[in-house]
Amino acid sequence: AQSVTQLDSHVSVSEGTPVLLRCNYSSSYSPSLFWYVQHPNKGLQLLLKYTSAATLVKGINGFEAEFKKSETSFHLTKPSAHMSDAAEYFCVVTPSGSARQLTFGSGTQLTVLP
Amino acid sequence: ETGVTQTPRHLVMGMTNKKSLKCEQHLGHNAMYWYKQSAKKPLELMFVYSLEERVENNSVPSRFSPECPNSSHLFLHLHTLQPEDSALYLCASSQGWTSGYEQYFGPGTRLTVT
Repeated sequence: AQSVTQLDSHVSVSEGTPVLLRCNYSSSYSPSLFWYVQHPNKGLQLLLKYTSAATLVKGINGFEAEFKKSETSFHLTKPSAHMSDAAEYFCVVTPSGSARQLTFGSGTQLTVLP
Repeated sequence: ETGVTQTPRHLVMGMTNKKSLKCEQHLGHNAMYWYKQSAKKPLELMFVYSLEERVENNSVPSRFSPECPNSSHLFLHLHTLQPEDSALYLCASSQGWTSGYEQYFGPGTRLTVT
């Protein structure tokens, strides 16, 4: 069985300050992990993915995430928030070997204040 | 057209109507997916097709009927829906369905059942 927990349903930051969106997972197998972003009235867009290579993963738009097996975490960070980063973010886990068993977190709504 | 497209973008239907949602991917992928996104709930995987064969059906009610005539097109036929079926329906595709293949999402169809 696998699960993913996004620890904050809402995060609010000021423009230009760092962003931290937290994600913990559990998986019986070596997982692949993803972060997706969803802007209003849009589909989900892949930000980055971890698939057992480097533990620090860089994605698009300045985002990165670090896979920490000992803490079963995959937190998403960005050094400096931009207004266009305001959106909902989803952490996703899938066991090694089957992308069809994606499990989505419940999402974190990021608000960026001017 | 590029990526994954979905039509219509918005649909309002009565409980006795029959309608269909269409998804088309222009990425040369082999797997396609239907998801349901309801407010305040994680994304729910409904169906998975790999090379036009249904490989996953997550206990979806029979009032939802998928069809995959070829690897580029996926339909979701709807009949006698309930108000609780109102949601955003997302289509996605991936190059393969083993771990590590990220999914590319369409913009979704916003369905309202009256």
